[in-house]
Amino acid sequence: DIVMTQSPLSLPVIPGEPASISCRSSQSLLHSNGYKYLDWYLQKPGKAPQLLIYLGSNRASGVPDRFSGSGSGTDFTLKISRVEAEDVGVYYCMQALRPPFTFGGGTKVEI
Amino acid sequence: QLQLVQSGAEAKKPGASVRVSCKTSGFNFKNYAFHWVRLAPGQRLEWMGWINAGNGKTSYSQKFQDRISITRDTSANTAYMELRSLRFEDTALYYCAKWGQEEEALDYWGQGTLVTVSS
Repeated sequence: DIVMTQSPLSLPVIPGEPASISCRSSQSLLHSNGYKYLDWYLQKPGKAPQLLIYLGSNRASGVPDRFSGSGSGTDFTLKISRVEAEDVGVYYCMQALRPPFTFGGGTKVEI
Repeated sequence: QLQLVQSGAEAKKPGASVRVSCKTSGFNFKNYAFHWVRLAPGQRLEWMGWINAGNGKTSYSQKFQDRISITRDTSANTAYMELRSLRFEDTALYYCAKWGQEEEALDYWGQGTLVTVSS
């Protein structure tokens, strides 16, 4: 199975300031079609996870442009340009290249 | 409006089975795949398996291979996940999620179903 490792585990943030989360995969997530099969999800308190970023760098519908994703085959980053209070929750990366799909351990973002 | 609505919380004893439903609306059910993911206390999200709602083909995580069945009823636009031989460590929130064809990601999620395994 592909192992996903996230850091940090916890991320205190200040509204208006930038924030960054890292995710590393044990194998390259670059498909032969050129896409990187890495997604980012946010689970807000008491809610189901919601898709933020798909295929490494594409914002899902309705996601504010302060969120951005980037990365190579094994190292990925989620950036929030200016954190807002509504961004608190647990962020997960997930590899969708090869079943079983696997998630990172999560990063808890709190104000 | 696209919706995935799951069945209510369940309390089960070890060794029992549980079936969670995921009723969908607002889109053509048979055109999509549906995945099941769980979140146990203190653990990370865990992918369990998926079903192609069109042809019923399934794929399961090897961890659950012997105990899980994912099915669908196209007439009811509903997907189901059954987990057998429940253990204490199966206590978790279980989510269904729709696979977005364009995004190739889990683009819509149900609200979650709490399954508690206790003697």
